[in-house]
Amino acid sequence: RKEVEQDPGPFNVPEGATVAFNCTYSNSASQSFFWYRQDCRKEPKLLMSVYSSGNEDGRFTAQLNRASQYISLLIRDSKLSDSATYLCVVRSGGYQKVTFGTGTKLQVIP
Amino acid sequence: DAGVIQSPRHEVTEMGQEVTLRCKPISGHNSLFWYRQTMMRGLELLIYFNNNVPIDDSGMPEDRFSAKMPNASFSTLKIQPSEPRDSAVYFCASSPPGQTNQPQHFGDGTRLSIL
Repeated sequence: RKEVEQDPGPFNVPEGATVAFNCTYSNSASQSFFWYRQDCRKEPKLLMSVYSSGNEDGRFTAQLNRASQYISLLIRDSKLSDSATYLCVVRSGGYQKVTFGTGTKLQVIP
Repeated sequence: DAGVIQSPRHEVTEMGQEVTLRCKPISGHNSLFWYRQTMMRGLELLIYFNNNVPIDDSGMPEDRFSAKMPNASFSTLKIQPSEPRDSAVYFCASSPPGQTNQPQHFGDGTRLSIL
């Protein structure tokens, strides 16, 4: 089993739709979780951290379920500019070992 | 503030040649990561340093790859000899000191093509 798994997609959704991605991780000792966004031919950029109690940033909501070992990202009112690949990131250990998921591709359609 | 700076942005060279990729982390960051990204394998962690010391190099594909961090503001990733299968985008990232909740900041990447 991969350390971090994501559905590669693509998720094709119309503008204004709500879309959700999940990401599962295998290491129960994982300590920190993030969502990154990567545009085509660009570097990954931090979208948001994921906190234990869940957190929201505008149209984006992130949640963590430690019992089931997954994190989720919800995007409401999708915009064309949301089209990108969303990478799940899990961090663990005292030296901050980082594992990226392979990403979920989102295409928002006019 | 300057972000993570990588050079060169693009590199095209013939197989067998030595390739050196360079990275300057964000000032004050004490962790540095080298990644490789391809369509087939996604983003792979090659090696990471903490306070200039290599912590985990298990992702380095083989002995042809080596990485150094002689000081807190500079790191290199070297491939010698290079092969066509090394063609990829190589990213450097850094993160500040603290607990594991510190995110990484990526450079623009080096697009490497080995002919």
